[in-house]
Amino acid sequence: AQTVTQSQPEMSVQEAETVTLSCTYDTSENNYYLFWYKQPPSRQMILVIRQEAYKQQNATENRFSVNFQKAAKSFSLKISDSQLGDTAMYFCAFIIIQGAQKLVFGQGTRLTINP
Amino acid sequence: DSGVTQTPKHLITATGQRVTLRCSPRSGDLSVYWYQQSLDQGLQFLIQYYNGEERAKGNILERFSAQQFPDLHSELNLSSLELGDSALYFCASSALAGLPTDTQYFGPGTRLTVL
Repeated sequence: AQTVTQSQPEMSVQEAETVTLSCTYDTSENNYYLFWYKQPPSRQMILVIRQEAYKQQNATENRFSVNFQKAAKSFSLKISDSQLGDTAMYFCAFIIIQGAQKLVFGQGTRLTINP
Repeated sequence: DSGVTQTPKHLITATGQRVTLRCSPRSGDLSVYWYQQSLDQGLQFLIQYYNGEERAKGNILERFSAQQFPDLHSELNLSSLELGDSALYFCASSALAGLPTDTQYFGPGTRLTVL
């Protein structure tokens, strides 16, 4: 079975702090892509960052970076210098390269940035 | 704004009814995906179309059907609606090749409420 587990249902930090969201996944496949999507109160799903499983280098997008540990099947998201606009649900997801082209999502982490 | 449009934004209907949700992909994207986001099931893949043809199927009920038209817009038809069908329905699109490696960009969603 292909599953994604986000063990932190809710997190809360102060503005400008750094926060790390956890994600583990399970697949027997070797080639896949990993994603973090953000869903603010508007409910829009917004791509935050993407990581190719064959790449050892961790992806970075401005204040967002990932810690990808393939052997441990772990894919955490670090948000640096957090901003009020980062308040949202964050979903970890992956897609298998060979097979049905579906994103498999975790249950999400609700992140609140406090002023 | 992802470039993916969905109509309507909100839909309220009664049990046993039939509704149609519409999605227009980003300009140039050939692949369209439908996802359902509900409180108890989370985000689940329903179905994918690529250039008019069904490409992959997920946890889509037999009461649900979809199609993609020659102009590449897609419709998701939900019939014999039940209370449990109340959810946020997302459409996503991806680039020309429609490969799993293509990033999926999500529309704003249609919130369906079945009373």
